[in-house]
Amino acid sequence: GAGVSQSPSNKVTEKGKDVELRCDPISGHTALYWYRQSLGQGLEFLIYFQGNSAPDKSGLPSDRFSAERTGGSVSTLTIQRTQQEDSAVYLCASSLGVYKPNYGYTFGSGTRLTVV
Amino acid sequence: QKEVEQDPGPLSVPEGAIVSLNCTYSNSAFQYFMWYRQYSRKGPELLMYTYSSGNKEDGRFTAQVDKSSKYISLFIRDSQPSDSATYLCAMVGGGGNKLTFGTGTQLKVEL
Repeated sequence: GAGVSQSPSNKVTEKGKDVELRCDPISGHTALYWYRQSLGQGLEFLIYFQGNSAPDKSGLPSDRFSAERTGGSVSTLTIQRTQQEDSAVYLCASSLGVYKPNYGYTFGSGTRLTVV
Repeated sequence: QKEVEQDPGPLSVPEGAIVSLNCTYSNSAFQYFMWYRQYSRKGPELLMYTYSSGNKEDGRFTAQVDKSSKYISLFIRDSQPSDSATYLCAMVGGGGNKLTFGTGTQLKVEL
């Protein structure tokens, strides 16, 4: 596609429910990143995929968070048993490969998650 | 202490002013330095990047890196209302693959 597509754009869920966030990267981009953006906290790294494997998942805050990527394309971030502190904007980015500045990251518009 | 520090603002300036945005960092392994612009309810978009110390100019934007002081800056000349956004600095080490971001500075350029 022309850009990185994320869905849904907004999600309101009840505490304790599971949610799935989807990211469709730019066609041909082998690297995919998930970040979380909270008010006043900036962008917090969650996980990085190269192809279908995740060499770095060091930013996942707890075992309630998991992510997968299939076919070297679409990625899903799953949050189980959501808590109010999970409320944030979840951003996905893709790039041609392992980060090179002339490739850059292209971000999607994010999924705004609200846990009530 | 965070690896990258950035004043969150908000910063309000009149149209036409020169804007200076800054970040400091603590990790001496960082080699690539970027500035992203983020409009409300949108994802960040890459504005400029520099490698190591030095200056880089692109139109009204100038990025500066001083590795000895661990300090980077973005200057915006002749600021416009359309420049109103949040500006995030980001950086990565030469062998790294994930960007470390500042918290972002909210800029408003008023008519």
